[in-house]
Amino acid sequence: EVQLAESGGGLVKPGGSLRLSCVGSGFTFSNAWMSWVRQAPGKGLEWVGRIKSLVDGGTIDYAAPVKGRFTISRDDSKNTFYLQMNSLKTEDTAVFFCATGWRKFDYWGQGTLVAVSP
Amino acid sequence: DIQMTQSPSSLSASVGDRVIITCRASQSVSSHLSWYQQRPGKAPKLLVFAAATLQSGVPSRFSGSGSGTDFTLTITSLQPEDFATYFCQQSYSTPPTFGQGTKVDIK
Repeated sequence: EVQLAESGGGLVKPGGSLRLSCVGSGFTFSNAWMSWVRQAPGKGLEWVGRIKSLVDGGTIDYAAPVKGRFTISRDDSKNTFYLQMNSLKTEDTAVFFCATGWRKFDYWGQGTLVAVSP
Repeated sequence: DIQMTQSPSSLSASVGDRVIITCRASQSVSSHLSWYQQRPGKAPKLLVFAAATLQSGVPSRFSGSGSGTDFTLTITSLQPEDFATYFCQQSYSTPPTFGQGTKVDIK
């Protein structure tokens, strides 16, 4: 059974940083292309970024609102996928989900809440 | 970016009803269209991809159709567990974009 578990969310002040982690199990993590998707409170879904498997080149893409502030990486030895978030803004407040996939998102974690507030 | 517009934004239906949700893209996305179900407080779940292919394990009362700019998700004989919010998503171009969601609640 595919399982994804996010962690690392919390309350942070504007301008602060957080690192989210996503641990995967039940599939060959090193072959997986992974994505981050967020959902502001009461709002819809917004793609944040994604990373291909290292064997497929490890290409990384970011959404325009987070480019230059967020960094995606992976550690296949730990079956873990990361989202380093710097220079956080109040509008980054959301539940962040990790998901498998590059174009469509097959499996999702339960999400972790990031709240950016003065 | 390709804008995805769903209609209606919400609807009320009864168990056993047939429900149709539409999704329109601001430009052609061919058949690169997926549908997701999100129950309150839960993660989204992939239902349909490639416009009409049912994800493994998804009940056959769900079906998707369409191509180009206009798509539909149909739920025949709505069940209690189907009361949720549904999102479409295009994967034709970067960035992947989602519709605003359609909330299906109990009449």
